[in-house]
Amino acid sequence: TQLLEQSPQFLSIQEGENLTVYCNSSSVFSSLQWYRQEPGEGPVLLVTVVTGGEVKKLKRLTFQFGDARKDSSLHITAAQPGDTGLYLCAGEGGPIEGAQKLVFGQGTRLTINP
Amino acid sequence: SAVISQKPSRDICQRGTSLTIQCQVDSQVTMMFWYRQQPGQSLTLIATANQGSEATYESGFVIDKFPISRPNLTFSTLTVSNMSPEDSSIYLCSVDVGVRAAFFGQGTRLTVV
Repeated sequence: TQLLEQSPQFLSIQEGENLTVYCNSSSVFSSLQWYRQEPGEGPVLLVTVVTGGEVKKLKRLTFQFGDARKDSSLHITAAQPGDTGLYLCAGEGGPIEGAQKLVFGQGTRLTINP
Repeated sequence: SAVISQKPSRDICQRGTSLTIQCQVDSQVTMMFWYRQQPGQSLTLIATANQGSEATYESGFVIDKFPISRPNLTFSTLTVSNMSPEDSSIYLCSVDVGVRAAFFGQGTRLTVV
């Protein structure tokens, strides 16, 4: 069974600070996806990383896929109150699990205080 | 991308009853997925629904409790049967349109009393 450990599970910081969320596994994934979920809504895709070592930027958000494709990180620079939400990493299964099935981390509930 | 309409958006149900959740996609998709998200938790895959075949259930989920229909390439239903308070969760359907991204409905928030 593939598992993703996401940390921290809760994070509350002040506006303007930087933060990093980690997503780790002992399994290799075909891709690693990051989602953000707001109350009453389904998760919305932020980014997909596919290649080991890949770095993608989305405005103030930087996503990195580990060289071995087992881990990923999300770094937010100068956090804003609008960044508040539940951040979920999800691994797309490799050959054993089958593609397109997603394994989700526990989620990081992020609160940015004005 | 895909637009997914899920209904109902929320319901409060009596224990012992069943609720059927509908998921409609604006395009034809091969695979549809049903997830459960318990309060304050992450998403757990219940089953994968392919058109024309039986759904594939994940460990810990059985067809008698969560029967799924997939009559065509744009629609699926999940039934939560013989409900108990432990079934109180958000239920989400999702699709993968082949671009390594999942698109989710807004979820059905179920409360069993």
